Amino acid sequence: AQTVTQSQPEMSVQEAETVTLSCTYDTSESDYYLFWYKQPPSRQMILVIRQEAYKQQNATENRFSVNFQKAAKSFSLKISDSQLGDAAMYFCVNQGGSEKLVFGKGTKLTVNP
Amino acid sequence: KAGVTQTPRYLIKTRGQQVTLSCSPISGHRSVSWYQQTPGQGLQFLFEYFSETQRNKGNFPGRFSGRQFSNSRSEMNVSTLELGDSALYLCASSTGTGRHSPLHFGNGTRLTVT
Repeated sequence: AQTVTQSQPEMSVQEAETVTLSCTYDTSESDYYLFWYKQPPSRQMILVIRQEAYKQQNATENRFSVNFQKAAKSFSLKISDSQLGDAAMYFCVNQGGSEKLVFGKGTKLTVNP
Repeated sequence: KAGVTQTPRYLIKTRGQQVTLSCSPISGHRSVSWYQQTPGQGLQFLFEYFSETQRNKGNFPGRFSGRQFSNSRSEMNVSTLELGDSALYLCASSTGTGRHSPLHFGNGTRLTVT
């Protein structure tokens, strides 16, 4: 069975600084996708970044980048130059061949001014 | 382009009742999936519909059902409500199925069962 573990229930960062959110996963599949979604207080889940497992290059989207370690089954999210609008719950998600999404429990990120 | 619309935003029901939640996907999106979010269990996949057919189903009892109409709008029904069904129910739409089609989520329906 697929599992996704986010070991940090809460994290905080100062505005303009960098923070890294951790995620480990377990899957028996070789072809899968990994995602980071954010859920602000408005409740709407928003896709932050995605990584295809067969691609070795780490995905980057503006201030957001990932460190994908396939052998270690690790998929961390780095947010650079943190902004107040980055405050949200962040979910690490795995989607395998069955195409069902498996979510981690989430990390609540607070950005301090 | 309008986003994914879920109605109602809030709902209060009594144990034993049934409830129907609605999801209107982004125009042109043919796939709709549903998720349950609770503090204890987190986010769990309920089911996915594509072109009016259920393609995937999560591990939920038969009290949870859904359907999709020809205009891609989807409804989710929960019968014989239990206290544990209190949750935020999220709907997401995409152009197709599978990992290549990014999901676009609605704001959810907050269901409270008393």
